[in-house]
Amino acid sequence: AAGVIQSPRHLIKEKRETATLKCYPIPRHDTVYWYQQGPGQDPQFLISFYEKMQSDKGSIPDRFSAQQFSDYHSELNMSSLELGDSALYFCASSSSAGVGDTQYFGPGTRLTVL
Amino acid sequence: AQSVSQHNHHVILSEAASLELGCNYSYGGTVNLFWYVQYPGQHLQLLLKYFSGDPLVKGIKGFEAEFIKSKFSFNLRKPSVQWSDTAEYFCAVKGVTGGFKTIFGAGTRLFVKA
Repeated sequence: AAGVIQSPRHLIKEKRETATLKCYPIPRHDTVYWYQQGPGQDPQFLISFYEKMQSDKGSIPDRFSAQQFSDYHSELNMSSLELGDSALYFCASSSSAGVGDTQYFGPGTRLTVL
Repeated sequence: AQSVSQHNHHVILSEAASLELGCNYSYGGTVNLFWYVQYPGQHLQLLLKYFSGDPLVKGIKGFEAEFIKSKFSFNLRKPSVQWSDTAEYFCAVKGVTGGFKTIFGAGTRLFVKA
């Protein structure tokens, strides 16, 4: 079965640069979530989109923005990168049509800021 | 505010030992409950979930969890662990109403000795 796809899988940037992370949800999933997992930490919810509209917002810095496109894929844009932004960024998707709200996670993008 | 508390940060067991990982949550409403597993270097995978009905839910790889509403708990169990169960386990909670945010616990790192 198709899973959540994230690209790139690894990204190395320098301080003050920008980065764009992409997430392709499972087909027919209409909701996308972004999480940040620092080294040895639990995933922290950043933001979610339902039907291309922002549905919820967590601890996302103002330097970050995200959107969901007409094909339901989502992009997380990160500007003025800081060393502390180094983390694993997970995307998850779910279907509002299903029972409950099970999120299926992608493999993550490992961002390293030097 | 929603919160999830996992009782143990690190657990070390020998193969064939029984496992119970504690999870308590705080939320003033109906919740969906999840356990995710993260094997070393991999992304989060759903172990099991509770939405409604029988409070004892069975998941993959012989894991089960029991939802005790009066105790706000959703403990994960496995009668006999294997070396391959070495991973980090996250309990997660999502309110049925009030947004799309899922809150994760801090995780329990399980190491199973062969």
